Formats: sequence, C-alpha cells, structure tokens
Amino acid sequence: DVQLVESGGDLKRPGGSLRLSCAASGFTFSDFAMSWVRQAPGKGLEWVSAISGTTGSTYYADSVKGRFTISRDNSKNTLYLQINSLRVEDTAVYFCVRGSNRRFDYWGQGTLVTVSS
Amino acid sequence: DIHLTQSPSFLSASVGDRVIITCRASQDINNYLAWYQQKPGKAPNLLIYVASTLQSGVPSRFSGSGSGTEFTLTISSLQPEDFATYYCQQLDFYPLTFGPGTTVDIK
Repeated sequence: DVQLVESGGDLKRPGGSLRLSCAASGFTFSDFAMSWVRQAPGKGLEWVSAISGTTGSTYYADSVKGRFTISRDNSKNTLYLQINSLRVEDTAVYFCVRGSNRRFDYWGQGTLVTVSS
Repeated sequence: DIHLTQSPSFLSASVGDRVIITCRASQDINNYLAWYQQKPGKAPNLLIYVASTLQSGVPSRFSGSGSGTEFTLTISSLQPEDFATYYCQQLDFYPLTFGPGTTVDIK
C-alpha cells in the first residue's frame, strides 16, 4: 500500500526555520512527481511546491518563492521542504502529496506548523 | 496564474438529492481538472481527474464533466458520508491552484 508519512511540524517563532520530511513507501518513489500542499486553520487548500521525479525540476507558489526549498532523496524515498524566514501566515497543516498523471492521488496525514511569537 | 472559482460556496441538501458543483477557470486548462473531497481533520481524497475520469474505488454516484473553462461535479444521490467540502484543482499550469471549496451540509 502507498504510504506518505510527514514529520517535522513544530511551534516556531517568526523568522525561524524548519524542515519538513515525508517518508514514502509502497511505490517506486523516483517515478513520481511530489508536491506539498498546505491548509491554514479553517481555510482552503493551497498548493505550495512540486518537484519532478528524476530531473529534480522544482516549482513554487509565489507566496513561498525564495523562502521555501523543496528537495528529495530518491535513495531514501524521502521528500523534504525547507522553510526559512517563517511568517505567521505560514501556520498550516502541510500535506505531502504524490502527483501522478495530472492528479494528486495519495496524500499524507499532514504535519502542523505553527508560527507564533 | 490560473484562478478557479466554485459555486455555490455552501449548499444544504438532503440524503438522496442530486447535487451539482461548478468550477470555473480563468483560462482554458485542457481538461486537467481534478475534484477532491475533504472531511474535517482528514486529508483530501481524490474523486475525479482529467475532468471526468473516476478515481479507482470512488462510488459511481460521483461524476465529472466539462471542458475548457467550465466544469461540474455531480453527486447523483447524496449519501450521509458525502457531507464534506469539495475542491477543484487545475493541474495544467504551474503554479497549480485550487478552488476555494464548496461545503455540502445536511439540510
């Protein structure tokens, strides 16, 4: 079975940094693009970033460009999101998502990032 | 960036009702439109992709249609487990974008 398990969420001060991880299993990780999607409390879904399977091409939402870095280690079946210069508005549940044939077909359970002074 | 709108934002319906949710894109997205269902405290679940393809394991009462810039999600006969929030998403152009969501509540 496909499993995506996020970790690394925490309570941080504005201006701080954090790295989220997503451990993938049950499929050939390198064959799939992966994304991060976030959801602020009581709000809708916001796509954050994506990375292709093998070329490592990366894409970002304008709201996080320059502060967030997506990466992957195909040897460890793990996806990462480095978040720098944290803002209060980055507070959200962050979901790791598998992208496949123009669809997000598997989602992790999410990890909560809280930014507060 | 491609902007998605959904209508209605909220609807109240009864078990057995036919429900239609509309998603409109600010430009042609070549049918790369997906629909997700989300229940409180849970991750979203893929229902439909490429506008009209039913994801494996999703009940056949869910269907998608449309092309170009206008798309619909139809629930043919609403079941108790269908009360949730529904999101559309375009996967044609980066940045990928979601609609604001439609909450289906019990009348």
